[in-house]
Amino acid sequence: AQTVTQSQPEMSVQEAETVTLSCTYDTSESDYYLFWYKQPPSRQMILVIRQEAYKQQNATENRFSVNFQKAAKSFSLKISDSQLGDAAMYFCAYTNYGGSQGNLIFGKGTKLSVKP
Amino acid sequence: EAGVAQSPRYKIIEKRQSVAFWCNPISGHATLYWYQQILGQGPKLLIQFQNNGVVDDSQLPKDRFSAERLKGVDSTLKIQPAKLEDSAVYLCASSRDRNTEAFFGQGTRLTVV
Repeated sequence: AQTVTQSQPEMSVQEAETVTLSCTYDTSESDYYLFWYKQPPSRQMILVIRQEAYKQQNATENRFSVNFQKAAKSFSLKISDSQLGDAAMYFCAYTNYGGSQGNLIFGKGTKLSVKP
Repeated sequence: EAGVAQSPRYKIIEKRQSVAFWCNPISGHATLYWYQQILGQGPKLLIQFQNNGVVDDSQLPKDRFSAERLKGVDSTLKIQPAKLEDSAVYLCASSRDRNTEAFFGQGTRLTVV
């Protein structure tokens, strides 16, 4: 069975600085998707970024980028120029390629605080 | 475009009572998901619908949980009877089809006392 592990329960960053959130996963599949979701206090999960395992290029969305290391089964999220609105829970998630993109296995999350 | 609507936002019940949650997905979305998120954990998929058919309910505790999506649009999730360990946020999500991004609602926070 696939698993997702986030080893940092909490992280803190100064406004305008850069922070990296870690995620590792375990799977025997060769093709899959990885995601980072943000969950603010409103509880609504918001997709931040998605990575297809068959793509070697790391995904980027504005201030958010990932470092995808397939052999190491590592998928970290880098947030540049952190803003107060980035404060939230961040969840790493996995799904098999060919499965449903909403049928996700989530990690336990990392709580990110942003200091002004 | 309206998002995924869920109600109620909060619910408090006593153990052994029954409770139902409602979800209205984004218009035109064929795939619907229910997740359970216990405090301090990531969401766990309970059930996935494709239109009005069940695709995956392998993690649904079928002795007390049930879900339906009769007309392939909105959906209800029911717990009967509730246990203390059912206290959680119940999230609904929908996607246009299986191969596209899922959008989440704001969830229902259930407290069982």
